[in-house]
Amino acid sequence: EVQLVESGGGFAQPGGSLRLSCAASGFTFGSYVMSWVRQTPGKGLEWVSSISGSGTTRYADSVKGRFIISRDNSENTLFLQMNSLRADDTAVYYCAKSGSGWYLLDYWGHGALVTVSA
Amino acid sequence: DIQMTQSPSSLSASVGDRVTISCRASQSVGGYLNWYQQKPGKGPKLLVATTSNLQTGVPSRFSGSASGTNFTLTISSLQSEDFATYYCLQSYSTPPTFGRGTTVEIK
Repeated sequence: EVQLVESGGGFAQPGGSLRLSCAASGFTFGSYVMSWVRQTPGKGLEWVSSISGSGTTRYADSVKGRFIISRDNSENTLFLQMNSLRADDTAVYYCAKSGSGWYLLDYWGHGALVTVSA
Repeated sequence: DIQMTQSPSSLSASVGDRVTISCRASQSVGGYLNWYQQKPGKGPKLLVATTSNLQTGVPSRFSGSASGTNFTLTISSLQSEDFATYYCLQSYSTPPTFGRGTTVEIK
C-alpha cells in the first residue's frame, strides 16, 4: 500500500525558513517523479515543485529561487526547503507521487500546514 | 499557463441523482485531464486519469469524458459517500493546473 506522510510543518515568520519532509513507502521510490502541491481556501490547489527520480527539478514561478525540492532515494524521503517565506506561502502542503509522466499525481499524503505570520 | 475553468463551484443533490461536473481548458491538454475527489482533512484521491481511465477500486458509477477542450466527470447515481469536493487537473504541460473545485452537497 502506498503511503506518503508529511512532516515539518508549523509556524514561521516572514523571511524565515522551514523544511518539509515526506516519508514514502509501498512503492519503488526512486523510480517515480515526486511533487509538492499546496492548498489554500483562496487560491485552491497550486502545484509547487516536482523532482524526477534522477534529480531533475521543476518549480512554479511563485517559488522559484526561494524553495528547493530534493530527495533521498536511499531513505525514501522527499524534501522541500522553503526560504524567504511570505504570508502568501501559508497553505497546507501535500506530497504527491506521479503515476506516469511528470504530473499525473496518483497518490497524495494528508498534508502539512505551514503558517507564515509575524 | 493553461487555465482550467471548472463548473459549477457547488451543487446540491440527493442520493441517487445523476451529477455532472465540467472543466474547460483554455487550450488543448491532449487528453491529459484527471479528476480527483477530496474529503475534509485528507489529500485528494485520483478517480479518473487521462480523460476516462477509471482508477482501480473506484466505483463504476464514476466516469469521465471529453469533447474537445471540455471535460466532464459524471456520477451516475450519487451515493452518500460521494459528498465531497471534486477537482480537475491538467497534467499536459508545465505548470500543471487545477480547476477551482466543485463541492457536492446533500440536498
